[in-house]
Amino acid sequence: GAGVSQTPSNKVTEKGKYVELRCDPISGHTALYWYRQSLGQGPEFLIYFQGTGAADDSGLPNDRFFAVRPEGSVSTLKIQRTERGDSAVYLCASSLGGLAGGSSYNEQFFGPGTRLTVL
Amino acid sequence: GESVGLHLPTLSVQEGDNSIINCAYSNSASDYFIWYKQESGKGPQFIIDIRSNMDKRQGQRVTVLLNKTVKHLSLQIAATQPGDSAVYFCAERGQAGTALIFGKGTTLSVSS
Repeated sequence: GAGVSQTPSNKVTEKGKYVELRCDPISGHTALYWYRQSLGQGPEFLIYFQGTGAADDSGLPNDRFFAVRPEGSVSTLKIQRTERGDSAVYLCASSLGGLAGGSSYNEQFFGPGTRLTVL
Repeated sequence: GESVGLHLPTLSVQEGDNSIINCAYSNSASDYFIWYKQESGKGPQFIIDIRSNMDKRQGQRVTVLLNKTVKHLSLQIAATQPGDSAVYFCAERGQAGTALIFGKGTTLSVSS
């Protein structure tokens, strides 16, 4: 079956530019997560959506980062005025339910990620 | 603050050996732990999880052990295969409803 998909798979941009990264979750999954993974590190939480609303955005590093999920399905992570330090793999995950609850309900399925390179 | 770490950045084993990957966590209030496997160019893949009210859970060829006294988590892989070669991460949830916190990962290399 279809898993989580992310586009583009690679994005190269110049410092100061604006980028949008897209995530298509598994159909029917109400929860969606964005993570950032730097080389050699584990994923770092950015934001979590339950339906259309951001239930927890405490991981967003600053106000240059913003994410939306207007219809409770596809999500877009937006980065303004990109900096070289934003270079990383941006991972999206979705789960049937949210962060509370039992394992089968909140198992997170990850997409392949978007590799962002800021020159 | 909350953090999850792994004792060894790399582990090399022979095919057929049993592998043990360790993880230490710092938040005694964490109630849920997960092991993920990540292959090159892919997102993390769920392997097995355990809740804080358990100390052992078994899956297919994998076992997770939780020692809350010393805040230690381990993943045991039986009869390790070349296809098990990947980076393994442990993750913890500080409390219900909060985000997962991942450790840095251990790279497992299996030679045949």
